[in-house]
Amino acid sequence: KAGVTQTPRYLIKTRGQQVTLSCSPISGHRSVSWYQQTPGQGLQFLFEYFSETQRNKGNFPGRFSGRQFSNSRSEMNVSTLELGDSALYLCASRPGGGDTGELFFGEGSRLTVL
Amino acid sequence: QQQVKQSPQSLIVQKGGISIINCAYENTAFDYFPWYQQFPGKGPALLIAIRPDVSEKKEGRFTISFNKSAKQFSLHIMDSQPGDSATYFCAASMYDYKLSFGAGTTVTVRA
Repeated sequence: KAGVTQTPRYLIKTRGQQVTLSCSPISGHRSVSWYQQTPGQGLQFLFEYFSETQRNKGNFPGRFSGRQFSNSRSEMNVSTLELGDSALYLCASRPGGGDTGELFFGEGSRLTVL
Repeated sequence: QQQVKQSPQSLIVQKGGISIINCAYENTAFDYFPWYQQFPGKGPALLIAIRPDVSEKKEGRFTISFNKSAKQFSLHIMDSQPGDSATYFCAASMYDYKLSFGAGTTVTVRA
């Protein structure tokens, strides 16, 4: 069974640009979450989608947005990039429903903002 | 405001020794406490998890101890091996499905 796949793995952008990151969850998983990982702030929750609906959102500005498609694949977008957005963006999936169980993480997309 | 506090930030242990990582939380609504292991260049992977209705859970060389009254939980790595060298994160979640992570502990096992 294939794991969580994130693309691209690495990317470099400049301030003011926007970026879209993609995530394909494990087959059959309907819940997709996004986390930002930085050395200073650690792992922080961005948002979670279940059946194409945003179920929860973390404390990030509106420049961070996401969506989920009918096949459970998800994208997140960051607009008007700032230097502080440089981070590893991790996608995680789980079967969904009412469980609070195991999250399966991808290897992440490393974003560098210059 | 970090909801889960983790210590130490790093530790070094000899091969065969015991590694102990501690975490504390404030929110009594948390009902799921996982530990994740992360190697460089990889995403975190679930190591072991516990719910507050038990005080201890063991899986191989890894044990979680949970103290509900003190709002603390810890990870013990017995017979530490060089392959255990990684960053370990404790976390907590409740009905809202999002994980609140600790800051992480970098464990180095010396051969």
